[in-house]
Parts: sequence; C-alpha cells; structure tokens
Amino acid sequence: EAGVAQSPRYKIIEKRQSVAFWCNPISGHATLYWYQQILGQGPKLLIQFQNNGVVDDSQLPKDRFSAERLKGVDSTLKIQPAKLEDSAVYLCASSWEFSGRGTDTQYFGPGTRLTVL
Amino acid sequence: KQEVTQIPAALSVPEGENLVLNCSFTDSAIYNLQWFRQDPGKGLTSLLLIQSSQREQTSGRLNASLDKSSGRSTLYIAASQPGDSATYLCAVNEGAQKLVFGQGTRLTINP
Repeated sequence: EAGVAQSPRYKIIEKRQSVAFWCNPISGHATLYWYQQILGQGPKLLIQFQNNGVVDDSQLPKDRFSAERLKGVDSTLKIQPAKLEDSAVYLCASSWEFSGRGTDTQYFGPGTRLTVL
Repeated sequence: KQEVTQIPAALSVPEGENLVLNCSFTDSAIYNLQWFRQDPGKGLTSLLLIQSSQREQTSGRLNASLDKSSGRSTLYIAASQPGDSATYLCAVNEGAQKLVFGQGTRLTINP
C-alpha cells in the first residue's frame, strides 16, 4: 500500500513569511497527526485529527500555526508568520481509527524540512 | 508531565557486537511503548510495540523489554550490522494515541 505522502520535502523561507505543508495519509486511515522535530530532539505532537475533527491541539502554537483537514482525508499545516525557532522537520503520520486498545501503529511520512532564515 | 529520556545520545560499535539502547519515562500510566527507527531524510519506522501488560517483544534480531513499574525499556540488537546504523527513538503512548518521544540514540555500526 502507498505510504504517507508529504510535500514539499524542503522549504527555505525568510522569517515573518508564511509557509504551508501538505499531507496525504494512507487510504482509510481516519487519524492524522502533525509532529514537529527540532534537530537533535524527538518529534513533538502538534495536532491530532480524527476524521476532520481535532482530538488534541494542546501543543500547537495557535497564534502562528493552523491546521485543517476539511474532508477528513488530506491535511495542511500553515505557519504565519514564521520565526527562526520554527526551523525543524514537520512530520505527518496516520493510523486507523483509534480503537481505545492502544494497539494502533502510526505510519510516518518522510517529513518536510523547514529552514527559516 | 511525561518525560522520556534516552541514553546514550550516540553510540558507535563494531559490526557483529550485541548492544543495548536504554529508554526511561517518568509516568508509568502508559498504554504501550514503541521503538522507532529513523534514517536520515526519512520518516519513522515502527520496530516494536510493547503493550503495558507485556514484558517484552521480539522481531528478528531485535528484542524490546518493558518494566513499567520502574519506568524503563531497553532495545537489544543482536549481531549488529552496518545497515542497523540509524537513530532509534522510543515513545510512550499516554492514551488516545498521544505519543511522547525521547530524543533518540544515534547508532553507528562500523564495518
């Protein structure tokens, strides 16, 4: 089966500019996640969708970050305006609908590497 | 707040050696713990998932153990190969699929 697709793979912008990332999850996966991975650190969950509803966005800096998953399939993550500290890899992951049994594996895309100058 | 720590941050060993990577977490109220592999420029690949009720899981040359009461997990790699070189991340599932990751161990296997 096709994996999680992300684009672009790389993006370089100036601070205060805006940027958007796109993710297409594995077909049939109801749950979609966006993570931020700063160099040398583990991924940090930014937002989790179940279909087109938000399950958890407690760590999303809402003053500058936004995300949507309008039709319950693909998703976009936007940063506006970008800051230097937003330089990171942005990973998208998906899984089957949460069963509550804690057995669902998350499948990760290749990520988008963002550099803010 | 759950904190996950991995030691060492980097490890370099000769090919053929057995090795152990360590992961510790502060809150034992977890659903499961996963070990992931991350190759440069690529996403994460799930290696092993241990449910909170389990003690260990095995896949090929990999064995992961979980001691929930002490907040520790280890990933054992037998007969290491150069292709095992990657960053290894552990993550605890706090429920509702919320994963909290450690910072990773960068492993280099020297031919």
